[in-house]
Amino acid sequence: GQQLNQSPQSMFIQEGEDVSMNCTSSSIFNTWLWYKQDPGEGPVLLIALYKAGELTSNGRLTAQFGITRKDSFLNISASIPSDVGIYFCAGLYSFGNEKLTFGTGTRLTIIP
Amino acid sequence: NAGVTQTPKFRILKIGQSMTLQCAQDMNHNYMYWYRQDPGMGLKLIYYSVGAGITDKGEVPNGYNVSRSTTEDFPLRLELAAPSQTSVYFCASQTSGRGTTGELFFGEGSRLTVL
Repeated sequence: GQQLNQSPQSMFIQEGEDVSMNCTSSSIFNTWLWYKQDPGEGPVLLIALYKAGELTSNGRLTAQFGITRKDSFLNISASIPSDVGIYFCAGLYSFGNEKLTFGTGTRLTIIP
Repeated sequence: NAGVTQTPKFRILKIGQSMTLQCAQDMNHNYMYWYRQDPGMGLKLIYYSVGAGITDKGEVPNGYNVSRSTTEDFPLRLELAAPSQTSVYFCASQTSGRGTTGELFFGEGSRLTVL
C-alpha cells in the first residue's frame, strides 16, 4: 500500500522557535491534510490543501502542497507551549475513495 | 456537541477474550472508520464503511470484525484477543458527497491492553 514518510520523527525546541516538518510519498495524492493530536485526544484537522503548489496559512501555521504532488510541508512560526503534540500528515488520492493514508507523525516537544 | 463518541476509554483483556468497541456519531456522516495507533507507527486503517449496510477492509483487518446497521453506529469487534492487538483505537467519521473536504472527525480513542 501507499506509504507516507514523515520527518523528523521528533523535535525538541524552545518556545519561540520556528518548526518545519515534511511528508513524502511514493505515489501522488490530490489532497494533503495536516492533523494535530493532543495527548489523550484524537487528531484534529489543522490545514487542508487541494491543489499542487498551494500555500495555505492558518494563524501561525503554514502548509504547502508540493508541485510533484508527492510531498507536503508544514511550518509553525514562533512556537508556544500549546503547540506540543503529534503532527500527522495525511494524503487522499481521490474523493469517492475516501481512505486517507496517514504519515507516522512528528512529535513536538517544547523545552521550557 | 457530541461528535464522535467511543466507549470504553480503557479496557484490559486477557488473551483469548472477546469484546466490542462502540462508536457513535451524531453528525449524520455516511463514512466511518476504525484506526489503530501503535507507538511511532501512525494510524493504520482497520475497517471502514461508506454507509449503513456497507463495510470494507482496510490495511490491517485481521482479528477484527465490524458491522454498520445504522448510520450512527459502527462497532468494532475483537475476537480472540491477542497481545498484538494492544493499541489505541480511534473511530472517525466524515461527510460525503459535495460537502466532502477530506476532514475526518475523530473520537477520543479507546486504549486496549491485552495481557
